[in-house]
Amino acid sequence: EIVMTQSPATLSVSPGERATLSCRASQSVSSNLAWYQQKPGQAPRLLIYGASTRATGIPARFSGSGSGTEFTLTISSLQSEDFAVYYCQQYNNWPPVTFGGGTKVEIK
Amino acid sequence: QVQLQESGPGLVKPSQTLSLTCTVSGGSISSGDYYWSWIRQPPGKGLEWIGYIYYSGSTYYNPSLKSRVTISVDTSKNQFSLKLSSVTAADTAVYYCARGIAAAGPFDYWGQGTLVTVSS
Repeated sequence: EIVMTQSPATLSVSPGERATLSCRASQSVSSNLAWYQQKPGQAPRLLIYGASTRATGIPARFSGSGSGTEFTLTISSLQSEDFAVYYCQQYNNWPPVTFGGGTKVEIK
Repeated sequence: QVQLQESGPGLVKPSQTLSLTCTVSGGSISSGDYYWSWIRQPPGKGLEWIGYIYYSGSTYYNPSLKSRVTISVDTSKNQFSLKLSSVTAADTAVYYCARGIAAAGPFDYWGQGTLVTVSS
């Protein structure tokens, strides 16, 4: 099973600032990586797939990069609605599909 | 616009079987373009993939749950279902159904989720 490790667990950022979230895979997942945003009481929302392709309707301030075992989600200028928990997910080696433990982006 | 909606009991007794159904609207499971998964999230914790089903009935399950999980599909009702047997408190979670662009994801549409509590 591929283990996905996200860091940091919590990221404190001021509105308007840049946020950089990391996701590491225990072995290569090529570019088969997705990012999701989850707000309290809501289902996850797909942001990025294929490591760097934005899903339909996702603002350009969200960008993904990386391949192999190291991935990054960048939010260029945090808006109030971006404070949430973010999860990465690999879909290269399965079963099982695996998710990271999440990074909470909170207001500084 | 595709919508998924979970339904089923919110409380299940230990050792019994958890049963949930996901009703899909705005798209047809029978199209064969997507895969249909169950994913769960214990309170305050991360996401765990349970398994998927294709319109043909082919399935794949998380090896950690495989002995207790059955996912089935009813294309005539545009629904797919989850059964998880011999539940314990560790199975208490919000259960989501989701549409996968491919067999293992990514998951582009999700249901709102339903909390299932295992307790006597």
